[in-house]
Amino acid sequence: GQQLNQSPQSMFIQEGEDVSMNCTSSSIFNTWLWYKQDPGEGPVLLIALYKAGELTSNGRLTAQFGITRKDSFLNISASIPSDVGIYFCAARSGTYKYIFGTGTRLKVLA
Amino acid sequence: DVKVTQSSRYLVKRTGEKVFLECVQDMDHENMFWYRQDPGLGLRLIYFSYDVKMKEKGDIPEGYSVSREKKERFSLILESASTNQTSMYLCASSLRSTNEKLFFGSGTQLSVL
Repeated sequence: GQQLNQSPQSMFIQEGEDVSMNCTSSSIFNTWLWYKQDPGEGPVLLIALYKAGELTSNGRLTAQFGITRKDSFLNISASIPSDVGIYFCAARSGTYKYIFGTGTRLKVLA
Repeated sequence: DVKVTQSSRYLVKRTGEKVFLECVQDMDHENMFWYRQDPGLGLRLIYFSYDVKMKEKGDIPEGYSVSREKKERFSLILESASTNQTSMYLCASSLRSTNEKLFFGSGTQLSVL
């Protein structure tokens, strides 16, 4: 079946550093999403991407829809302690159906 | 604010028990979803519903069923709980028009002993 592979699985970074993570698949998708899950909460939508090559920002976060439509990337600039959490990519695989990636766990050292 | 409420934060059940997980949303969303979250596997879709009394299988429906008798409520049923169903269960809802924006509940951590 369709799978989304995220890397890295987890990362420790220093406060103020920039962070990059990616999501890849062997399948083509027309919509890519990035969600963040804070500890003890459900995921919350950060960014939605609808077009190959699209680059979209939300504050310190920037995400890109890969031109092959098989991948997506998320960058966080100047990380702060509240960036800690699990970041999930997701892709639309049906009219109402979305599949999620395996997640990247981010830990920020103050 | 949209609120998706899951009935229990933690639940402990025994193997073979019938288990009901309840989810209620207060924003008149057409779509509702049940996912399970396991470390290293991310979120996997169990079932979803795009209207009252409508349901569709997700990627891992085996061992589960669902019920959507009212628009605001979506129930996940484990007919005979097994230890491999120990997991975090997340309910979500979305509007049909902006269906990529899923609103999630805080989750139910189910332990089957």
